[in-house]
Parts: sequence; C-alpha cells; structure tokens
Amino acid sequence: DVKVTQSSRYLVKRTGEKVFLECVQDMDHENMFWYRQDPGLGLRLIYFSYDVKMKEKGDIPEGYSVSREKKERFSLILESASTNQTSMYLCASSTIYKDYGYTFGSGTRLTVV
Amino acid sequence: QKEVEQNSGPLSVPEGAIASLNCTYSDRGSQSFFWYRQYSGKSPELIMFIYSNGDKEDGRFTAQLNKASQYVSLLIRDSQPSDSATYLCAVTGTASKLTFGTGTRLQVTL
Repeated sequence: DVKVTQSSRYLVKRTGEKVFLECVQDMDHENMFWYRQDPGLGLRLIYFSYDVKMKEKGDIPEGYSVSREKKERFSLILESASTNQTSMYLCASSTIYKDYGYTFGSGTRLTVV
Repeated sequence: QKEVEQNSGPLSVPEGAIASLNCTYSDRGSQSFFWYRQYSGKSPELIMFIYSNGDKEDGRFTAQLNKASQYVSLLIRDSQPSDSATYLCAVTGTASKLTFGTGTRLQVTL
C-alpha cells in the first residue's frame, strides 16, 4: 500500500510565524504535490515537484515555498503565515510509470490566528 | 470557463437506487480521468479511473467516458448510506498533473 504521511493532522499557528508542513511518501514516487482545499473552491494546486530539487508553481503559489531535498520528502513552507492561509492542506504523490492518479496524505488542518 | 465542472449538489438518492454523477471538462487533450471519494474531514481516495471511451465497471461502480462530448460520469448501483460523500472528478492535463472539479455531494437516504 502506498503511504503518504503528513506530519501533523491539526496545527494552530500565529500570524507572521514561519510554518513548515512535511510530507513523506514510501513508494519511490517521482511526483509530489501540495494542494489546499477550501469550501466552495475545491482543490487548488500550490506547488508540485517532478524530481529531487525540482519545483514548479501551481495555481496559487503566492505566500508559499517548497523544498524537495530527498525523493520521498516534500515540504511546504509558509514564509509568514496569514489568516487567509487557514485551510486544509493536502499532499499527494504519483508515479510517472503508471497513470493511476494521486495518492493523498491524510491532510493537515492549519488554523492561523 | 472552469476546466472541470461538476454540479455541487447535494444529489439525494434513496438507498438501493442508482446514483449518477456527472463531470465535463474543457481540455480536449485530456488523457486520463479519475473519480475520487471524499468523506467529510478526510482526504480524497481514488475509486475509479478510465482512459478509453466507453464504460468501465468495478463492483457497484461504473465510470463512463465520452471524449467527443468531453463528458465523464460515475454510476453507483445499489447506493448505500456509506456512499454519502463528496465525489471529485479529476482529469490529467500535462505531465501527470491532475485538475479537479469542485465535487458533487451525494446523500443516500434511508
């Protein structure tokens, strides 16, 4: 079973804090993705990575950065958290060799106060 | 125009009935099509994928694809209360990147 593990299920941070969300997958997948999900807006892609040290902006990258130093780990960084970044954050991974879609992590519900 | 469109619902069906969920997409170059189920407060889980025109069946689920009409649907036979969830349609664009619809909420009533 592919496992995508997100480090925290719930997180509360203060405005202006630097926030790290970690995601680890154990199936040697090449592709990793960060989404946020908000009611009525669906899943919106923040950043994605096709390989170690490679990253590409998604649809809403402003206020976020990412890091992929190892194939299995993809980190999302909120440089200076703001209340409008309160959301559910979902990490996903996929392989380029079988187009079976994404496997998602369990999500991190981030609240910025 | 949204790239992947779904009716937000809720779609309400009685237990034992067939639930029909629909999705249209704008990119004619889309190659792969997926249906995810998401329970409230949980992450999406893949339930079906389809690449070729026609029907694909897996248990109580049938995915239908019509590329000429840019339309993909999911049928759930013998609907159960446990099927109550939001169903997300997703299509691949370039390089394995999925574009999701906003989902249809399904309610199966007793």
